[in-house]
Amino acid sequence: EVKLVESGGGLVKPGGSLRLSCAASGFTFSSYTMNWVRQAPGKGLEWVSSISSSSTYIYYADSVKGRFTISRDYAKNSLYLQMNNLRDEDTAVYYCVREPSEYFQDWGQGTLVTVSS
Amino acid sequence: SYVLTQPPSVSVAPGKTARIACAGKIIGSKSVHWYQQKPGQAPVLVIYYDSDRPSGIPERFSGSNSGNTATLTISRVEAGDEADYYCQLWDSYSSHYVFGSGTKVTVL
Repeated sequence: EVKLVESGGGLVKPGGSLRLSCAASGFTFSSYTMNWVRQAPGKGLEWVSSISSSSTYIYYADSVKGRFTISRDYAKNSLYLQMNNLRDEDTAVYYCVREPSEYFQDWGQGTLVTVSS
Repeated sequence: SYVLTQPPSVSVAPGKTARIACAGKIIGSKSVHWYQQKPGQAPVLVIYYDSDRPSGIPERFSGSNSGNTATLTISRVEAGDEADYYCQLWDSYSSHYVFGSGTKVTVL
């Protein structure tokens, strides 16, 4: 059974930093592209970042480029999202998502990030 | 950047058919995927590559894609189908994944 468990969310002040983690199990982690997708309260889904199976290809949404960094640790079967210079509009539930090929097959339950003074 | 447009809401009576449109420029040339999200839950993939159904998704869910519109069809709608539905695709031009704005399906 595929399992994706996010952690690291919380309350942070504008301009602050936070690092999200996602522990993956139940599949061969090194074979899949992984993504972060977020959802602001009461809003729709927004793709944030993607990292290919070998970490060769990394992409970011324009709204986070230059502030967020995605990475993965193959030894720990973990995905990360380093978020710097956080803004109010980054407040959202962040989902860790497994991608076989261009679609999002498996989702974690999400971790809430609140940016507020 | 590529834009996907969905109607904000669709209402349907139980047992009837709901059709949710996802409009985009020449979307028929791209692969479209659909997700169902119920309140307080993570999204669930219901259709991928325009019309393929993941295991465990009822045959009542189907998809099509042509021209400038992709469509998710839910046949014989049940109360449990009430949810938000999102279309999504990979835009190779911008190297971005794109979601539609979402459609709330209400079962009357």
